[in-house]
Formats: sequence, structure tokens, C-alpha cells
Amino acid sequence: EAGVVQSPRYKIIEKKQPVAFWCNPISGHNTLYWYRQNLGQGPELLIRYENEEAVDDSQLPKDRFSAERLKGVDSTLKIQPAELGDSAVYLCASTPEGDRGRKGQFFGPGTRLTVL
Amino acid sequence: RKEVEQDPGPFNVPEGATVAFNCTYSNSASQSFFWYRQDCRKEPKLLMSVYSSGNEDGRFTAQLNRASQYISLLIRDSKLSDSATYLCVVNSGAGSYQLTFGKGTKLSVIP
Repeated sequence: EAGVVQSPRYKIIEKKQPVAFWCNPISGHNTLYWYRQNLGQGPELLIRYENEEAVDDSQLPKDRFSAERLKGVDSTLKIQPAELGDSAVYLCASTPEGDRGRKGQFFGPGTRLTVL
Repeated sequence: RKEVEQDPGPFNVPEGATVAFNCTYSNSASQSFFWYRQDCRKEPKLLMSVYSSGNEDGRFTAQLNRASQYISLLIRDSKLSDSATYLCVVNSGAGSYQLTFGKGTKLSVIP
């Protein structure tokens, strides 16, 4: 079974530029999460989707961050414009329907963003 | 008080040693507890869930003390391949999807 797929794996941009990350969850997983992980920290939730609906985006900095999951499968996270402090690893995770994360979340390899 | 607190380490132990990690959490409503493992520059992977009665998976034993809001992970007979960061993870309450991760405890197993 394929795991969570993310691209790109690495991205280097200059500040004020836009950037987008893509995630394809495990087939059949209707819950999708975007996390940000700073160096030496644990992942922090940015947004959670149930199918195509964003049900928890309270931690998403909405002035510059946006996300979508139009068909309830793959998802895109965008930053525009990027700031130096956005340098981090952006992780996507998924869980199957009804699981409520009881069996843990499955993470993709992440996108390592460096803002210069 | 931070939601999930862990000693960041590093813990440097010789092969074959037994090592224990502790974690405390602040949300008394938390119902689901996990230990995740994260290798350097890799994604977190679920190591094991933590159950109220305690549970064991090979060389790994997890314990939960709800009264003290305390979780532990014990690794026996450490292997070089156990070197990683171990993340303590709790959810936000009954039926909640939201997970809060600790900063992790770094373990280095030395030959």
C-alpha cells in the first residue's frame, strides 16, 4: 500500500515569493492534516480536512497561508508571500474514516522549506 | 505549563542498556496517547499506542498514569537502530482528532 505522498521534498525560495506544497494521502483516508515542524520541535497542526471540508484551521496563519482539498483527495498548502520565519518542514498526514486518530496518523516524508 | 513536556535529552546509552523516557501532559481530557519515533530528517512514525493498563511490544513498554498525567516509554536491550527522537503525543479529548506533539527526546545508542 502506498504511503502519503508529498512534493516537492525540498524547496528553496527568497522571501516574499509564493510557494505551494502538494499532498496525496493514503487511498481511502478521508482525514488529512497539514503540520509544520520547526527544528527541535514537534509537529504543530495547521489545518485538518474531513473530505473536502476544512474542519479545524484555527492554527493556520490566514494572512499568508491557504489550503485546499477540492475533491476530498489530494491537497495543496500555499504560502504567499513567504517570510524568513516560514522555514520549516511541512508535513502532511492522514487517517482513515471513523478512526479519529486512535491508531495514530500516517505521515508523508514532508517538504523542507528554506526561505532566504 | 506546556501541553506536552519531555526531556529533550540527548540520552547517550551503550548497546544493550535499558533506557526510559518520561512525558507529562496538561490536558486532563486527553484520551489517546502515543509514542512516535522520528529519525533524523525523516517523518514521524507511530511506534506504539499507550493503553491505560500499560502495553508491551517486544523490547518496548509503554505506561500511562492518568492521575499524574504521565506517560513513559521503556526500551530494553537497546540497539544501534533505536537511535532516533521519540515524540510523546496526546489527543485533545474523547473522540478528538487533534494531536499535540511533545518536542521529543533524542536517543543515541552507542556501540
